[in-house]
Amino acid sequence: GQQLNQSPQSMFIQEGEDVSMNCTSSSIFNTWLWYKQEPGEGPVLLIALYKAGELTSNGRLTAQFGITRKDSFLNISASIPSDVGIYFCAGRPGANSKLTFGKGITLSVRP
Amino acid sequence: ETGVTQSPTHLIKTRGQQVTLRCSSQSGHNTVSWYQQALGQGPQFIFQYYREEENGRGNFPPRFSGLQFPNYSSELNVNALELDDSALYLCASSLGQRDGYTFGSGTRLTVV
Repeated sequence: GQQLNQSPQSMFIQEGEDVSMNCTSSSIFNTWLWYKQEPGEGPVLLIALYKAGELTSNGRLTAQFGITRKDSFLNISASIPSDVGIYFCAGRPGANSKLTFGKGITLSVRP
Repeated sequence: ETGVTQSPTHLIKTRGQQVTLRCSSQSGHNTVSWYQQALGQGPQFIFQYYREEENGRGNFPPRFSGLQFPNYSSELNVNALELDDSALYLCASSLGQRDGYTFGSGTRLTVV
């Protein structure tokens, strides 16, 4: 099935560092969502974006809805060990449409 | 408020068997979706229900079927199980179709 493009597959950073992830699509989305998934759990919603150009923060996390509506970015500042997990982007073209997910980026944080 | 709960958490079935997975939506949420997540992949959309009617379906064969009940809880049924059906099955609910979805912890299905 269709998936959004997330790369690299894995990222390794030092505690305290900032990290950026991006997500791209060949088609336009009207909603972008960022989720985090930990082992044995379902994805947890971090940030939802509903408008092109929108910049939204949730604590140390900031995400942006790209102007072209074909991409989104997630930034994590001052990383801590509990930021470890898999980060998924998801997009939806319309209100009644399905969510399309990326393959996820596995983040590791070295203490 | 309670979140999305799924049962069972783990299940082992034999190829050719049928399985029913259950989901209780977050209180007040009238939209529920089901996703299949294979190992190392992102969730893939199976179908969505809004007020007991299916209103969206992904690229899954008809042996994947579902129901949503008046209390907005939901079931996913899979007939004639195949080995490739082994995956984490996630249920997600939302208050409206525009909102972000709240996911359950999933049911890990293994087909042997």
